[in-house]
Amino acid sequence: GAVVSQHPSRVICKSGTSVKIECRSLDFQATTMFWYRQFPKQSLMLMATSNEGSKATYEQGVEKDKFLINHASLTLSTLTVTSAHPEDSSFYICSAASRTSGGVSTDTQYFGPGTRLTVL
Amino acid sequence: GQNIDQPTEMTATEGAIVQINCTYQTSGFNGLFWYQQHAGEAPTFLSYNVLDGLEEKGRFSSFLSRSKGYSYLLLKELQMKDSASYLCAVTIKAAGNKLTFGGGTRVLVKP
Repeated sequence: GAVVSQHPSRVICKSGTSVKIECRSLDFQATTMFWYRQFPKQSLMLMATSNEGSKATYEQGVEKDKFLINHASLTLSTLTVTSAHPEDSSFYICSAASRTSGGVSTDTQYFGPGTRLTVL
Repeated sequence: GQNIDQPTEMTATEGAIVQINCTYQTSGFNGLFWYQQHAGEAPTFLSYNVLDGLEEKGRFSSFLSRSKGYSYLLLKELQMKDSASYLCAVTIKAAGNKLTFGGGTRVLVKP
């Protein structure tokens, strides 16, 4: 259980184009999904928190007009990188929160396989 | 803010034991997670601790002391495939389910 898929796994695009990344929870419903970015040899940096049916909450320094997030259903969230530039090249990872076993109040995040974006 | 510290790199021998420490400073602590991440892949969930003590799952164990702001991940009977980065992450009550990650510890297992 708790499988999260992400598509595409790899994308190469020209500067100025937009790229959409999909994140799906396959066997559970996730009210909350998260989008991270990871540069080489660095840890994950949270970009935004996505809640189904409401606007995403962006972390400080993340441009909401550049990184558009849509959480259309309990199993799907999308991240669109608009007008991509080479500095946007990175590994983008989504996660979906599922209730932690034992009835505790914190959910466990399960990660998708990631999308490697290269902007030329 | 939150400070989460873990060593950058560790090296160990196949079959041995390695302990990865994680210290954190935060208010409203609501749980600590350990994830494993192989190069170029997404993190996979290893363990979750919210109460003090040791949680054992096969070759992997995780320990938490809330009063000391300290956790460790213990890997026993190391295998070559355990070479990966191990990420410590903390949640706080005020932030819902948001995770704040440490920098990760890269473990290299040698034959």
